[in-house]
Amino acid sequence: RKEVEQDPGPFNVPEGATVAFNCTYSNSASQSFFWYRQDCRKEPKLLMSVYSSGNEDGRFTAQLNRASQYISLLIRDSKLSDSATYLCVVNKGNNNDMRFGAGTRLTVKP
Amino acid sequence: SQTIHQWPATLVQPVGSPLSLECTVEGTSNPNLYWYRQAAGRGLQLLFYSVGIGQISSEVPQNLSASRPQDRQFILSSKKLLLSDSGFYLCALQGEDYGYTFGSGTRLTVV
Repeated sequence: RKEVEQDPGPFNVPEGATVAFNCTYSNSASQSFFWYRQDCRKEPKLLMSVYSSGNEDGRFTAQLNRASQYISLLIRDSKLSDSATYLCVVNKGNNNDMRFGAGTRLTVKP
Repeated sequence: SQTIHQWPATLVQPVGSPLSLECTVEGTSNPNLYWYRQAAGRGLQLLFYSVGIGQISSEVPQNLSASRPQDRQFILSSKKLLLSDSGFYLCALQGEDYGYTFGSGTRLTVV
């Protein structure tokens, strides 16, 4: 089993749609969780951290379920500019223990 | 604020040639620094990390090496490139919340 697993997609959704991504992780000792966004041929950029209580930033909501060992990202009212690959990242809190999922590709269409 | 610089942006090198990629950071001292590689259509693979000057840890055995000659400088090298070394190389700086800030990356094509 991979340490961090994501559905690779692609997810093709119309503008205005709501889309959700899930990510599962294998290490129950994991402490920090993130969603990154990566545009084609660009570096990943931090989208949001994921807190135990869940957090929201505009149209984006991230949730953590420690019991089931998954995190989720919900995007409401999708925009064309949301088209990108979304990477799930899990860190045990150690210096080198940041594990990346392979990413979920999202395409928002007009 | 912390910034990270990486160059060159693109590189085409013949098989067997040497490689040197440089990463420098500003706005922080004694940062944890990382080199990742992303093959086409794949996830990020951790290659090396460094917690201080002269301190290098390798995650994957290969023909690459890394050095940290200065606190804010991290270098990725190879004496002889292989075709399989092609990929997108990313330097990353770890923040206080353990999240990473990435450099803009170097797209290496070995021909």
